[in-house]
Amino acid sequence: DTAVSQTPKYLVTQMGNDKSIKCEQNLGHDTMYWYKQDSKKFLKIMFSYNNKELIINETVPNRFSPKSPDKAHLNLHINSLELGDSAVYFCASSSPGLAGVDEQFFGPGTRLTVL
Amino acid sequence: GNSVTQMEGPVTLSEEAFLTINCTYTATGYPSLFWYVQYPGEGLQLLLKATKADDKGSNKGFEATYRKETTSFHLEKGSVQVSDSAVYFCATDNDYKLSFGAGTTVTVRA
Repeated sequence: DTAVSQTPKYLVTQMGNDKSIKCEQNLGHDTMYWYKQDSKKFLKIMFSYNNKELIINETVPNRFSPKSPDKAHLNLHINSLELGDSAVYFCASSSPGLAGVDEQFFGPGTRLTVL
Repeated sequence: GNSVTQMEGPVTLSEEAFLTINCTYTATGYPSLFWYVQYPGEGLQLLLKATKADDKGSNKGFEATYRKETTSFHLEKGSVQVSDSAVYFCATDNDYKLSFGAGTTVTVRA
């Protein structure tokens, strides 16, 4: 009965490979997000989808491509992995509040290590 | 857009000590303000929130008051426990997304 789930939890791969991270939420939320957290715990938003449509696309290399097959899923595909992509990636979901963004629910994170 | 600035850590204190983490915001209008907590090895979870001036959010012994005159939302707890060791993030809403502060790592020693 996990609210926001991500797979895999750990991902270790070589430079140049292509990998995907999957996210699913069972909260009935309309909006989903991908964040990147670096080694200093700084959290940076990457993408956001609302009802399968991209609404936020921060300055992220185009090697990163999100895909939302339905509003409960938001996957992240990364091409040609680089050392600097090593981080923890968090998926989150929310429903809009009465005034702006309301509480976001986060997944447990995927720790990506690029060797 | 709206943003928050929170005090840098790390913060180390003893059990039962008083904890304060400062957070100030810059915004147009009246944003909602949040504190999130990230326990080791986990994702972030909402600790408390306030949606308008003078609102006080509280949860698990933590409190924060939305102060418009000082544009602040400082987090406080009167007596911390070892289990409060975590990273704390202040956040505000900003055009369909949340803007997070840099996070403050808190370590509580027994």
